[in-house]
Amino acid sequence: AQSVTQLDSQVPVFEEAPVELRCNYSSSVSVYLFWYVQYPNQGLQLLLKYLSGSTLVKGINGFEAEFNKSQTSFHLRKPSVHISDTAEYFCAVTTDRGGSYIPTFGRGTSLIVHP
Amino acid sequence: DSGVTQTPKHLITATGQRVTLRCSPRSGDLSVYWYQQSLDQGLQFLIQYYNGEERAKGNILERFSAQQFPDLHSELNLSSLELGDSALYFCASSGGQGFPETQYFGPGTRLLVL
Repeated sequence: AQSVTQLDSQVPVFEEAPVELRCNYSSSVSVYLFWYVQYPNQGLQLLLKYLSGSTLVKGINGFEAEFNKSQTSFHLRKPSVHISDTAEYFCAVTTDRGGSYIPTFGRGTSLIVHP
Repeated sequence: DSGVTQTPKHLITATGQRVTLRCSPRSGDLSVYWYQQSLDQGLQFLIQYYNGEERAKGNILERFSAQQFPDLHSELNLSSLELGDSALYFCASSGGQGFPETQYFGPGTRLLVL
């Protein structure tokens, strides 16, 4: 079975400061990793994903994440946040379940950017 | 706009009732997924359909059922509703090509059971 732990339920940060949202996963097989963002009253949208290849993945809105297999982590980073980055962020892990790829989501991290 | 539509946006009903949530996937997507999002359980996968057939099942209660129609829209039926079924229900779609794809989420249906 696979699982995802997002270590922080809430991360407050000031505008233009860097931020890191932490995600650790557990799986006994090869994994594919995703970060999604949910703005208030909206559905989730993809920020970035790791399927294979380079462990540093760049996404939309200046976000990036690094896949670390030895530490089973996929932390999300942004060097300088904006007020508009205030949202809920979800890490997800998926594995091959007989040809079906169903993500398991973490509980989410609420990023709150203060002016 | 993800291209995935869900109706209704909000639904208020009473315990014991039955409701139907509707989802239209992005044009060309064959897979539809249903999720339940609540404060205590987080985002939970319920069920996946691919081109009209059930493909994968998650933590879906027996009181819940879903189907995908020939035009690829999907409906999630929730019956004998309980207070604990109050949640945000998301539909997502993907191409369904058999590899880990991006899922495109609809705006959700907020269900309140009184």
